[in-house]
Amino acid sequence: GENVEQHPSTLSVQEGDSAVIKCTYSDSASNYFPWYKQELGKRPQLIIDIRSNVGEKKDQRIAVTLNKTAKHFSLHITETQPEDSAVYFCAASREAAGNKLTFGGGTRVLVKP
Amino acid sequence: NAGVMQNPRHLVRRRGQEARLRCSPMKGHSHVYWYRQLPEEGLKFMVYLQKENIIDESGMPKERFSAEFPKEGPSILRIQQVVRGDSAAYFCASSPKAGGLNSYEQYFGPGTRLTVT
Repeated sequence: GENVEQHPSTLSVQEGDSAVIKCTYSDSASNYFPWYKQELGKRPQLIIDIRSNVGEKKDQRIAVTLNKTAKHFSLHITETQPEDSAVYFCAASREAAGNKLTFGGGTRVLVKP
Repeated sequence: NAGVMQNPRHLVRRRGQEARLRCSPMKGHSHVYWYRQLPEEGLKFMVYLQKENIIDESGMPKERFSAEFPKEGPSILRIQQVVRGDSAAYFCASSPKAGGLNSYEQYFGPGTRLTVT
């Protein structure tokens, strides 16, 4: 089955700096890669996603890149703000497997004012 | 448009009791997924259901756990004879019908936090 590795497990950045989180996946048939943000005690919230026919996607301060050949994808947050502090999860899925999500272990991001 | 709803939000059970967790998907969503999140860990897939059908239960423990999504009403995740190791947050997510532009997207409910004493 699919295996998703996520790094780093914790990330501390100064407000205004950029944050980058990287994930690798094992199943070359995976074709959908969402990113979720989870604040303490809250539900995971979908913040951005990318499909395998696209190499990059951007939404305001967040962007995701996908390298299918290397089987890795990354989340980039620019101009970080204290409210970006949360745990971020990457995930992978494929339509043929019913789109069930396999999650990475999470990255705890702390933005210091 | 109401989001995914789950109840109860918190559930305390003694060892050996049964736990029933409910999930109402977003309006227009016909796919339901259940995930479990142990403390300080990521989310693990448990089961995928459509109305009246279990599509994939490869993540469900073989014993004590069952799930359903009846024609009418919410999806139910049932845990019989709970043990301390079942203590976790249980999230359901819903997704639109297959084939749509956004059919891959899964939206999560607030979760049920189960504590087994």
